Amino acid sequence: AQTVTQSQPEMSVQEAETVTLSCTYDTSENNYYLFWYKQPPSRQMILVIRQEAYKQQNATENRFSVNFQKAAKSFSLKISDSQLGDTAMYFCAFMPGANSKLTFGKGITLSVRP
Amino acid sequence: NAGVTQTPKFRILKIGQSMTLQCAQDMNHNYMYWYRQDPGMGLKLIYYSVGAGITDKGEVPNGYNVSRSTTEDFPLRLELAAPSQTSVYFCASSPDSYEQYFGPGTRLTVT
Repeated sequence: AQTVTQSQPEMSVQEAETVTLSCTYDTSENNYYLFWYKQPPSRQMILVIRQEAYKQQNATENRFSVNFQKAAKSFSLKISDSQLGDTAMYFCAFMPGANSKLTFGKGITLSVRP
Repeated sequence: NAGVTQTPKFRILKIGQSMTLQCAQDMNHNYMYWYRQDPGMGLKLIYYSVGAGITDKGEVPNGYNVSRSTTEDFPLRLELAAPSQTSVYFCASSPDSYEQYFGPGTRLTVT
């Protein structure tokens, strides 16, 4: 069974600064997908970024980038130039390549201070 | 496109009552999912479907039932509601089983 661990329950960052959210996972699979989802106060789950395990290059989407360390089973999210609208819960999620079930971490609450 | 829609947004049930949470998507996605999110926790998969007529259990299926008679709709049925089913319920759909699109959620309280 896969597990996803987000050990930091909450973080705070000053607007315009950079913050990194940590995630580790455990799996015996070799091919899989990793995701970061954002859940703002509206509760809507929004996909932020996705990483395929077979790709060595770290995924990037505008101000969001990941540091994927396959051997260490680590998948952190870096948010650059933090904005007030980034305030939300962020969930790390894992999906084995063989099926479509997502396993989520417990999430981290990020607050961006003005 | 409306995307994934869920009704109702909120509902209070008494213990032992039954109800159906509705989920619909207009993106012609084959894959659909039901999750529950308990306070301070991530989402847990209840049931999923890979196409019309096909459903399968997720991590926490007990107390729930689903059906998938059309591509668009994936209702979740709660029979004999219990306080442990108080949660926020999310429906999601996906074109390829990788990128999932979520609905706005239904907040259910069982008292």
